[in-house]
Amino acid sequence: KQEVTQIPAALSVPEGENLVLNCSFTDSAIYNLQWFRQDPGKGLTSLLLIQSSQREQTSGRLNASLDKSSGRSTLYIAASQPGDSATYLCAVLTVDQAGTALIFGKGTTLSVSS
Amino acid sequence: NAGVMQNPRHLVRRRGQEARLRCSPMKGHSHVYWYRQLPEEGLKFMVYLQKENIIDESGMPKERFSAEFPKEGPSILRIQQVVRGDSAAYFCASSPLRDTLLLAKNIQYFGAGTRLSVL
Repeated sequence: KQEVTQIPAALSVPEGENLVLNCSFTDSAIYNLQWFRQDPGKGLTSLLLIQSSQREQTSGRLNASLDKSSGRSTLYIAASQPGDSATYLCAVLTVDQAGTALIFGKGTTLSVSS
Repeated sequence: NAGVMQNPRHLVRRRGQEARLRCSPMKGHSHVYWYRQLPEEGLKFMVYLQKENIIDESGMPKERFSAEFPKEGPSILRIQQVVRGDSAAYFCASSPLRDTLLLAKNIQYFGAGTRLSVL
């Protein structure tokens, strides 16, 4: 059964720092891995999708990497800003779920102070 | 092109009442997924539907919960005889017609959620 773990659960940094969020999954048989952002009381915004055949994806100040064999992904945020404060969720689309369900981690809650 | 629309955004019910949550997928999307986020928990898959068909309901509680996606109109998640433990945020996501070969590119687009509070 696929399980997704995110470390740390919470992170506080001053503005301008570069930071890394970690995600690990137990079953390497995945179609893709997605990073989402969730603001308090809001829905999920898709940030990056990495297909199983890819190693990384970049969007602006965000870079996500995928090491499928070791079951790990990292989300790198460069030059953090207060507007980056949110909960970041990692999710995998797993093969044995017939590709129907995303399996989510519990998230990392990021706070960036000015 | 509007995103995934969920309503109501907030729903308050007393124990024993029924809750109906609605989800309109993005235009052109024929696949709908429901997820539940309990307090201090991650999002958990509940059910996956296409028009007039339930494809995977492995995450649905066996009793009191049902879902439909009719030919016309939004998808409905129905919770009968609600209990306090049903209090959670319920999210709907949609995706376009899915080709198995393109599953690696499949993105699910999420709505803002319905926050259910059971008194």
